[in-house]
Amino acid sequence: DAMVIQNPRYQVTQFGKPVTLSCSQTLNHNVMYWYQQKSSQAPKLLFHYYDKDFNNEADTPDNFQSRRPNTSFCFLDIRSPGLGDAAMYLCATSRTNSGGGGDTQYFGPGTRLTVL
Amino acid sequence: QKEVEQDPGPLSVPEGAIVSLNCTYSNSAFQYFMWYRQYSRKGPELLMYTYSSGNKEDGRFTAQVDKSSKYISLFIRDSQPSDSATYLCAMSYTGGGNKLTFGTGTQLKVEL
Repeated sequence: DAMVIQNPRYQVTQFGKPVTLSCSQTLNHNVMYWYQQKSSQAPKLLFHYYDKDFNNEADTPDNFQSRRPNTSFCFLDIRSPGLGDAAMYLCATSRTNSGGGGDTQYFGPGTRLTVL
Repeated sequence: QKEVEQDPGPLSVPEGAIVSLNCTYSNSAFQYFMWYRQYSRKGPELLMYTYSSGNKEDGRFTAQVDKSSKYISLFIRDSQPSDSATYLCAMSYTGGGNKLTFGTGTQLKVEL
């Protein structure tokens, strides 16, 4: 089945120690998104790629970076995790971001990050 | 004021009940309205998608949009324990780059 895969499902890191989260997709979608979701809160968009074009949200901290080496993979890098970065990180994909709104976003299962 | 408001619950109902979940929003530009279901420690899964005002039905689920009141609803008929999850409303608009604005989610528990 075509899907969005996230690895690892659970990640524990130490305060200030860089961490990388991985997302892959078999849907061959052009757009890949990263969301941060804290407990009992709405998912918050961090950034997205349309193909190789990177689009950062204005309020995404510089501590968060992303790479998309090819269509299938996208990585979220947290350069110096703080306690406040503990959250579920969700990857999503869509066929386009034409703005027509009809491009359904398909979510992966998420990676739960714990910062000690 | 948040762009999308959603009662966080928790909402507890007996099996077989009709469930009504709601969101209000402030941005009149929103045209596309979605309901996602999120099981504990899992990613959101799209349940329903509606464009502009009107109703849409899919099995036990009905989505309603009232743009004049900036109010959307999801109804679940004959609720089952497997419906226990958090339900997130989400919205977007043309020209918004497919960016979704989510509500905080309503936690639903359907009890035997």
